[in-house]
Amino acid sequence: AQSVTQLDSHVSVSEGTPVLLRCNYSSSYSPSLFWYVQHPNKGLQLLLKYTSAATLVKGINGFEAEFKKSETSFHLTKPSAHMSDAAEYFCVVRPTSGTYKYIFGTGTRLKVLA
Amino acid sequence: DTAVSQTPKYLVTQMGNDKSIKCEQNLGHDTMYWYKQDSKKFLKIMFSYNNKELIINETVPNRFSPKSPDKAHLNLHINSLELGDSAVYFCASSHIRTVQETQYFGPGTRLLVL
Repeated sequence: AQSVTQLDSHVSVSEGTPVLLRCNYSSSYSPSLFWYVQHPNKGLQLLLKYTSAATLVKGINGFEAEFKKSETSFHLTKPSAHMSDAAEYFCVVRPTSGTYKYIFGTGTRLKVLA
Repeated sequence: DTAVSQTPKYLVTQMGNDKSIKCEQNLGHDTMYWYKQDSKKFLKIMFSYNNKELIINETVPNRFSPKSPDKAHLNLHINSLELGDSAVYFCASSHIRTVQETQYFGPGTRLLVL
């Protein structure tokens, strides 16, 4: 069965320090993987997606993620956190076959300290 | 131009009432979705339509009934509202043709049942 696990429900970083949000997936096939961000009282916005073209994916607002098949991971990183990065982040997997669904992780709330 | 729009943005109503939420997308997508986000930010897929045909129908009370008059619109009707229906409901759309397709989300409808 396909699934996605976000290992941390909350992450706190200081402004200007690196951000690491962890995501592991389980899929029988080569999936597509996405990261979405949700700012307070807003909808979900796509940060980046992996579609097998390149394992290191660059997204908006300085975020990037690396697909590691051997570790079944797709961790989201940013070199330097800004206050505006404080939000909820969702890792999403879409298996290559068998379902029309996008499977969401439980989310990681990022807090950025001044 | 708003890609995926929902109305209303806020909905406050009494238990037992019937209400509808409307969703429209102008992206030319063939597939639309309804998600429910609870107070812990968990996103749960409810329904999905592809070209007006129901393709995902998760275990939700039959008080919830989706309707897709055309592939640009997907409405959600809720009968006999209960306290537990209070949540944020998100509409989303995508193409279904490949698993690499991105889902685009509306701004959400915040439903409060009193």
